[in-house]
Formats: sequence, structure tokens, C-alpha cells
Amino acid sequence: QQPVQSPQAVILREGEDAVINCSSSKALYSVHWYRQKHGEAPVFLMILLKGGEQKGHEKISASFNEKKQQSSLYLTASQLSYSGTYFCGTETGGTSYGKLTFGQGTILTVHP
Amino acid sequence: DAGITQSPRHKVTETGTPVTLRCHQTENHRYMYWYRQDPGHGLRLIHYSYGVKDTDKGEVSDGYSVSRSKTEDFLLTLESATSSQTSVYFCAIRGQGWETQYFGPGTRLLVL
Repeated sequence: QQPVQSPQAVILREGEDAVINCSSSKALYSVHWYRQKHGEAPVFLMILLKGGEQKGHEKISASFNEKKQQSSLYLTASQLSYSGTYFCGTETGGTSYGKLTFGQGTILTVHP
Repeated sequence: DAGITQSPRHKVTETGTPVTLRCHQTENHRYMYWYRQDPGHGLRLIHYSYGVKDTDKGEVSDGYSVSRSKTEDFLLTLESATSSQTSVYFCAIRGQGWETQYFGPGTRLLVL
């Protein structure tokens, strides 16, 4: 079952903040966030693990609510370079260890 | 840079012809993946490998086969290409330490 991302698209001006949500119907072991620019490969941003551990880039923050099977990505003081499509990938662990199921993506556009 | 290359980067072929895409990694990672990306569907897992000669199906495996005879190479074969297999194909590896996936540059395949 594919995780659901919201919103589907968001438009910002430079300096504004945005939150992208990812919700799953299954219990999660980890959530992975990626950004993809047009014509390029997805680029890793952050991983959030069950139990609270996070690993990622310094300027990106995210949360993981294990009970609600939800994750949110926080983009603060947005820059033009933040534009792109953001994907969450969820891992349920167990027999699905190592497999990610991706959401449909959130298109973020930052204007000057 | 996770040391992943894909070949070819672009390919145009005709319906009914066989096509093989190659993913090559230089860092001896155990897990490798093939995804396809289509508008509105995000990234969908085709097949993955958890070791040499160890492979398993993903959510959209029909019409595709894979092989992994060496750690560094993961091949995706379309036995008889169809127009519905026109897509962008991404290979990924599961990195050590951060346990997330890193993507190759992608292959654009057009089946006429």
C-alpha cells in the first residue's frame, strides 16, 4: 500500500516555510525523504528510524510519529534551490526489510 | 556520489524487441534495486537483489526479469518490450551506515 503524501503541490515565496506530510496505513520501521529535480535522480535528504533516530542533512528537519504512522518534512526559510518534487519512502521491516514503498510525490515551487 | 552508473542512459526500441538495462556499482553494496518512474505513480519497485543470484519481485515485476551474477552488476531485462514499459528506470543501492537508498542517474526508455 502506497503511502499518501500531502499536499500534492505547494507554491512558496523565498523565505517562507512549508510542511510536507507522509501517512501510511502500515506500521513503519523507517521513513526516507528524497528530493528530485526535473530530469534528475532522487537525492536522499533524511532517514527517520523507529525509536527516534534521525540521520540526514543539517538544514533539513523532519518528524516521525510511530503511533500514527506519519512523518512530516519541515522546510524553513525556503530558497529557490528547494524547488522540486519531494518523495517519502516507507519501510515496514520484517520480511520487507530493505524495501521502500514511495508516495506519489509533492511538488514544491519556490518563487523569488 | 554512491558510485552508481546506468547504461544506456537513453534508448529507443520497438515493440516486441528484447531490452537489457545495466546497473553498475563500485562500492560492493549487497542490496540493489530497479524502479520505474511514471507521471502520477511516483517510484515503483520492479525487482531487487539482496546478494549475488538472490533476487525477489517488487510490486510491478510482470514483463521484467533480472540477473545478478556479480556483486557490482544488476541487469534488468524486458523480454519483449511493450509501449506500457516506456518509462524512466532508476537503479538504486542500499548504502551502509545510513541504511537508505541511493539512486543512479536513470535510463529513459521509449518503446515505439
